[in-house]
Amino acid sequence: EVKLVESGGGLVQPGGSLRLSCAASGFTFDIYWMTWVRQTPGKGLEWVASINENGSGKYYVDSLKGRFTISRDNAKSSLSLQMNSLRAEDTAVYYCARGGPNYGPANWGQGTLVTVSS
Amino acid sequence: DVVMTQSPLSLPVTLGQPASISCRSSQSLVHSDGNTYLSWFQERPGQSPRRLIYKVSNGNSGVPDRFSGSGSGTDFTLKISRVEAEDVGIYYCMQGTHWPPTFGQGTKVEIK
Repeated sequence: EVKLVESGGGLVQPGGSLRLSCAASGFTFDIYWMTWVRQTPGKGLEWVASINENGSGKYYVDSLKGRFTISRDNAKSSLSLQMNSLRAEDTAVYYCARGGPNYGPANWGQGTLVTVSS
Repeated sequence: DVVMTQSPLSLPVTLGQPASISCRSSQSLVHSDGNTYLSWFQERPGQSPRRLIYKVSNGNSGVPDRFSGSGSGTDFTLKISRVEAEDVGIYYCMQGTHWPPTFGQGTKVEIK
């Protein structure tokens, strides 16, 4: 069974940083693209970033480039999202998902809530 | 970015009756490789989204065959042949042809 478990969410002040992690199990991690998607009541579902199978290709939504960094550790079957210079509009539930941009993610984690507020 | 527009945004349906959701894109979703990357997702109450359909009409493993997708170019449809209670939730279309992938605003399906 595919399992994706996010962690690292929480309350952070504007301008602060947070690192999200995702532990993957139940599938061969290093043959899949991985993706972060976020969801807010106002903007709905929004793509954040994707990374290819071996980590050599990283793709970001333009508005987040330079602030967010996606990475993976295939030896540990884990995915990460480093988020810097956080803003109130980054407040969202962040999902770790298996799959890339063309087909969309087939499997999603339960999500982790990030709240940016003073 | 490609804008995905769904209609209706709210869809009350009777159990056992069919339901249809429309999704339109602001640009053609035909990729240079010839494929059309349009997917549908279901978000049940209290659950994470799950993919139902990919490349317009291909059903994910485990998805009931009462769900079907169709369309081409900029117009796409998700149909539920006979709605069941477990189909309540929000349905999203998503285009994966152009970067960044973008989602529709969602259609809430509820039982009358």
